[in-house]
Amino acid sequence: DAGVTQSPTHLIKTRGQHVTLRCSPISGHKSVSWYQQVLGQGPQFIFQYYEKEERGRGNFPDRFSARQFPNYSSELNVNALLLGDSALYLCASNSDSNTEAFFGQGTRLTVV
Amino acid sequence: QKEVEQDPGPLSVPEGAIVSLNCTYSNSAFQYFMWYRQYSRKGPELLMYTYSSGNKEDGRFTAQVDKSSKYISLFIRDSQPSDSATYLCAMSADYGGATNKLIFGTGTLLAVQP
Repeated sequence: DAGVTQSPTHLIKTRGQHVTLRCSPISGHKSVSWYQQVLGQGPQFIFQYYEKEERGRGNFPDRFSARQFPNYSSELNVNALLLGDSALYLCASNSDSNTEAFFGQGTRLTVV
Repeated sequence: QKEVEQDPGPLSVPEGAIVSLNCTYSNSAFQYFMWYRQYSRKGPELLMYTYSSGNKEDGRFTAQVDKSSKYISLFIRDSQPSDSATYLCAMSADYGGATNKLIFGTGTLLAVQP
């Protein structure tokens, strides 16, 4: 059974560009969350979607947006990239609220 | 003050040692407690999940939660070089409305020496 899958694995972008990251949750999981992990720190919560509705938003600027599709996959979009957006972006899925969260391998974004 | 505090280490132990990893927290609303293992440049892997106070054991791993002290621990028995990784604690409250937001510690880097 496939776990959480994320694409792409690595990405290099230039300042000011836009990026879209993708996530497919574990089959049967309806909740998807996005986290940003900068080097040497724990992951920071960005968004959570459940049944295609936003259920939580972290302290990130409006340049960050996300959506969830009818098949429960999700996209994270970041506009006007800054050097400080360089990080490992993690997607997690849950079967329901407050159950175990399972993470994908992440997308490593480098902004130059 | 951060909601979750975790000693970043690094912690170096000999193979076979008992490892103790700890986190403290300030938010008394936290009810769900998790430990993740993260190898370099990989996603976090869920090791232990605990609801409220108490102990939970799974193989060589034991998780303890003391809500009165706002303190959680992970013990690793008979540590192996393959246990060398960063260990992250994470917590969540019952936010309602199917909301699940994990608050993480900074992670403790563990090195088990053969």
